[in-house]
Amino acid sequence: GAVVSQHPSRVICKSGTSVKIECRSLDFQATTMFWYRQFPKQSLMLMATSNEGSKATYEQGVEKDKFLINHASLTLSTLTVTSAHPEDSSFYICSARDPQRGGGTDTQYFGPGTRLTVL
Amino acid sequence: ELKVEQNPLFLSMQEGKNYTIYCNYSTTSDRLYWYRQDPGKSLESLFVLLSNGAVKQEGRLMASLDTKARLSTLHITAAVHDLSATYFCAVDDTSGTYKYIFGTGTRLKVLA
Repeated sequence: GAVVSQHPSRVICKSGTSVKIECRSLDFQATTMFWYRQFPKQSLMLMATSNEGSKATYEQGVEKDKFLINHASLTLSTLTVTSAHPEDSSFYICSARDPQRGGGTDTQYFGPGTRLTVL
Repeated sequence: ELKVEQNPLFLSMQEGKNYTIYCNYSTTSDRLYWYRQDPGKSLESLFVLLSNGAVKQEGRLMASLDTKARLSTLHITAAVHDLSATYFCAVDDTSGTYKYIFGTGTRLKVLA
């Protein structure tokens, strides 16, 4: 099956610093990637849709200046949490869409997630 | 706005028992997904349901989709402890954006 990786898997940072999370599709080209955030014991909430070569589309209530998304290639999207604060601590999961697949398969493949802790 | 609701939110059951998790969604969609999430982990794909009346089974889990009722079920047969996890359904946002909207999740605890 399609493989999506994330790096780092876990990061701890001080309040006010910026953190970059990478999402890579390892065996396919992803024209679209998605970023989700999950707080403890809650569901996944879509933050933004990242399209290769264009600006990301943010969901309502998500600050685009705080969560910078770059999708510079067909295999890499990055999420930068700028000036992180303790309330940004969460589990961030990316997914990637393989436009070559369809029919009876998932259209999104999920990464293993990144645990962000802001002190 | 597309909404996806699951019930129950929390389920504690004895090993060997059967139970069903329900997933209701608010707009038309003919693609529905079920995922499992273990603590601290990402999502594991369980089922992809693509049409009305679709039924899929894997081991002790069986999923079905009724697009007319906007309802999917995940049935657990003779539960075992290893099935303890959180289960999510997700529905395609049919606006052409390929977004998924996730359900609220069902935390399942199977007691030995």
